This record gives sequence, structure tokens and C-alpha cells, in this order.
Amino acid sequence: GENVEQHPSTLSVQEGDSAVIKCTYSDSASNYFPWYKQELGKGPQLIIDIRSNVGEKKDQRIAVTLNKTAKHFSLHITETQPEDSAVYFCAASKGYSTLTFGKGTMLLVSP
Amino acid sequence: GAVVSQHPSWVICKSGTSVKIECRSLDFQATTMFWYRQFPKQSLMLMATSNEGSKATYEQGVEKDKFLINHASLTLSTLTVTSAHPEDSSFYICSASGEIEQFFGPGTRLTVL
Repeated sequence: GENVEQHPSTLSVQEGDSAVIKCTYSDSASNYFPWYKQELGKGPQLIIDIRSNVGEKKDQRIAVTLNKTAKHFSLHITETQPEDSAVYFCAASKGYSTLTFGKGTMLLVSP
Repeated sequence: GAVVSQHPSWVICKSGTSVKIECRSLDFQATTMFWYRQFPKQSLMLMATSNEGSKATYEQGVEKDKFLINHASLTLSTLTVTSAHPEDSSFYICSASGEIEQFFGPGTRLTVL
């Protein structure tokens, strides 16, 4: 089955800096890669996703890149703000199948 | 994004009792709903997948007689934890999918005394 590795497990940045979280996946047939933000005591919130026919996608301060050949994808957050502090999960799936999640990255943005 | 609600948001019960958690997709019809369990500082563990009108598919190691799932309509799925024990204490989260995206509910914190 699919295996998703996520790094780093924790990431501390100063407000205004950029943050990058990286994930690798094992199943070359996976074609959907969402990113979720989870705040303490809440459910995950879908923040951005990318499909395998696209190499990059941006939404304001957030961007995701996908390298199908290397089987890795990354989340980029620019101009970080304290409210970006949360746990971020990457995931992968094949079409409508179940998501396989990474273990999460705790992002701490210090003022 | 789409809105998914869960009820209750937290529940405390005595060992041996059953607890029902509801998951509703508020603004779209969910062909598939998923139930996850999350322990502190860990990732989400998929428990089961349910499609409206059919039996749920449980992940390996999840007891289907203990975690009863009903998906009666395109907007409602329920998870019943039967004969709950302290080791069942966890954060239970549902998600709903209409197409390829999954949208998560806010979660239910279950504490079994």
C-alpha cells in the first residue's frame, strides 16, 4: 500500500519567514495530494491540494509543488504569521480511494 | 470549502456504556464518509469507510462489532462505540467526500471513565 513520509516533524520560524514542509510517497499511481492544517482540539482543514497533472499550485501565501518523478511534494508558506502555527498533514491517494496521511509537522511561528 | 459538522463535540461516559457520534455534511451530498481516530500528537488513523446505503468497510484491526457505523443518507453517518472502555478514549473525526476532496468535521473528544 501507499506510504507517506513527512519532514520535518517540528518547524520553528520567525514571523515573516518562509516555511517549507516536504512529503514523499511510495505509490507512483497516487494522483491526488492534499494538505491539511489542524489546530489544537479541532478537525483538519483542507488548505490546498494538487493533482498529478499539475506541477505547482498557489493560493495567496500558500503554494504546493509536486515532482512526480521523484515522488515528492512540498508545502510552502511565505510571510508566515503567528496564526499559521498548527500541525500540518500531507496526504496522498489514488483518485477516489482513501487518503494516506503523513505523520504531521508542528509549525510554530514566533512573533 | 464544504462544511461538515459533528455532534457531540465532547462526551464523557462510564465504562460499559455506548456512545453515538453523528457526522453531517451540511452543504453537499457526501457519497462517502470516513471515520478516523486520533491519539495525542499522532496522525489520523482511518477506522472505516462508509457509503450511503451499504455496509461500512473497516480497516484491519478495527472491530466492526465494537464500532458500529451507519450511513443512512447522503448527509448523515453515525459511529456508535459500544461497551466503551477507557482505552477507547480518543479524538474521533469524521470526513465527508462528494468527489475527490475530503472535508473533515471538528472532531469529538470521547473520555471513558
